[in-house]
Amino acid sequence: AQSVAQPEDQVNVAEGNPLTVKCTYSVSGNPYLFWYVQYPNRGLQFLLKYITGDNLVKGSYGFEAEFNKSQTSFHLKKPSALVSDSALYFCAVRDTSTDTGFQKLVFGTGTRLLVSP
Amino acid sequence: DAGVIQSPRHEVTEMGQEVTLRCKPISGHNSLFWYRQTMMRGLELLIYFNNNVPIDDSGMPEDRFSAKMPNASFSTLKIQPSEPRDSAVYFCASSLSSGAGYTFGSGTRLTVV
Repeated sequence: AQSVAQPEDQVNVAEGNPLTVKCTYSVSGNPYLFWYVQYPNRGLQFLLKYITGDNLVKGSYGFEAEFNKSQTSFHLKKPSALVSDSALYFCAVRDTSTDTGFQKLVFGTGTRLLVSP
Repeated sequence: DAGVIQSPRHEVTEMGQEVTLRCKPISGHNSLFWYRQTMMRGLELLIYFNNNVPIDDSGMPEDRFSAKMPNASFSTLKIQPSEPRDSAVYFCASSLSSGAGYTFGSGTRLTVV
């Protein structure tokens, strides 16, 4: 079965410093990988996705993620964190190997990012 | 496009009452998902539809929960009777294809007292 793991419940970083939010995945076929962000009292918003191609994916708000097949990871990164980046971040995976003709996203448990001024 | 529209935004009801949550997906999207989010359990997929047909309802917690999608532009999630442990934020999301991500609504915060 497909799954994702976000090993950190919370990540703390000072404004201006680089940030990394970790995600590892497990699928039987080729993965489609996603990152979403949730601000307080809001729904999840799409940040970026990896389907195929370049392992470094750029997304919204200056975020990027690196797909690493050998390590089965898809870590979210940003070179310089902003206080406004403080939110809950979810990694998700879709397994393309199933035969159902439609594959659902499986979300991780979320990582709370706290950026201090 | 106005995005995925959920109503109501907030709902407070008494235990035992029926609750109906509503969702209008993005026009043209052919898949719709209902999620529940709580502090204790995180984000849980309850049920999802593809072309208005329920594909997987294994996440529906009990028979008190039911969901329908009578047409491509509308879905409901009903809880009858409601219980305090049903208190959560319920999200609806829609998607166009298997390679696309989901677009989430703003959620309905349900409080059962």
